[in-house]
Order: sequence, then C-alpha cells, then structure tokens
Amino acid sequence: EAQVTQNPRYLITVTGKKLTVTCSQNMNHEYMSWYRQDPGLGLRQIYYSMNVEVTDKGDVPEGYKVSRKEKRNFPLILESPSPNQTSLYFCASRLSGGQNTGELFFGEGSRLTVL
Amino acid sequence: RKEVEQDPGPFNVPEGATVAFNCTYSNSASQSFFWYRQDCRKEPKLLMSVYSSGNEDGRFTAQLNRASQYISLLIRDSKLSDSATYLCVVNRGSTLGRLYFGRGTQLTVWP
Repeated sequence: EAQVTQNPRYLITVTGKKLTVTCSQNMNHEYMSWYRQDPGLGLRQIYYSMNVEVTDKGDVPEGYKVSRKEKRNFPLILESPSPNQTSLYFCASRLSGGQNTGELFFGEGSRLTVL
Repeated sequence: RKEVEQDPGPFNVPEGATVAFNCTYSNSASQSFFWYRQDCRKEPKLLMSVYSSGNEDGRFTAQLNRASQYISLLIRDSKLSDSATYLCVVNRGSTLGRLYFGRGTQLTVWP
C-alpha cells in the first residue's frame, strides 16, 4: 500500500530533550516536506527537500533540522524543543518533474507536546 | 499580507445546498493551485487541482481568476459527508518547492 508513515504519532516531552520525528514514504517520491498545523494559523511549511541531499527552508524553520540521506526518509529533528513547538506535524511527499501532478500525500500526523 | 487568505467560516448548510468558498493569493507569480480537504484530526487529502480554464469533478467545480488573484470552489447538492475543512493551496512559481496553505474554511452540512 502506498503510504507516508510518521513516527511517533503522539509524543509528550520536556523542554530541551532532543527528539526526532521520522517520516518514510514507499512511493519513490523525490519531493518531501514537513508542515506544522496550529489552530488559527493553518499549515505552515517547515522544511522541504526536492531530492536526496537537497533541503531548503520553508516559512518556519527556526528550531528544526532535517536531513535527506535516502530518498524514502526525511526525519525532522528538534535539537532543543520548546513549548512553542507544541503542534501537529505532518510529513508529505509527491513526485517531481514532469510526473508531478501537484498531489501531496500526507502522513497521518504526529502530535507533539513540549512541557 | 498572508500568501493565501481564506474565509474561515464556519459555513453551516443543509443537505442539498450549494456552497461556495473563495481564496485569494498575494503573489502574482503563483503557478499551481489546489483544493485539499481535511477531516477533523486527519491528514489533508487532495480534492482537486484548479486549472486556468476552470474544471469540474462531479458536484465540485473549481475556478481560477488570475487577474483578481483568487480561486473558488463550488459544491453543489451538498452531502453530509462533505462536512470537513477545505484548504486552499498555492504553489509559488519561482520556488516550486514552496507551498502555501490557507487557514481553511470549515463546512458543516446538516440533515
């Protein structure tokens, strides 16, 4: 089954404790991206990657890191989480180039709470 | 000014009603436009792309007005299952990786 898988789905952590949210897709998509969704603010792009070893900042990259060492994986790293990073996080992927229909495939989301 | 603006609603309509949502975008270089649907606590899913000439998919019609920089979504003969939040999404032309989401318009269809 074609899918984007995020882990963990739910996490409660404390300020300053490094964490990683993993994202994996099995559709051979070149493009992957991370978003956070907050009430009243909608979805905001954190980072995106057009292909392996290519990453770029979105609108709200502060406090986050990403890496794209393999095509299928795009982990989101919070080196020192703070309460303002409490949010619902979505990973998404799509094809690039001529086959790109624009359709993003989203993971089910990871709800993170930082105390 | 936000890249993408949507009326957050909520829109509450009876079954069978016709409802329209609008979305404005600020960057004239924007090239690709989409409507996504998001059910409560779920991930967004593509409803339809929006083409320059307008396009229809069953009860759903999308329109693009480049001169006024807005896109619209029309839902005819609303069903209970149409209750969701509808997200307007714009891809800025100069940087194809950058996607901008509206805050979403909440629709509730009641019996």
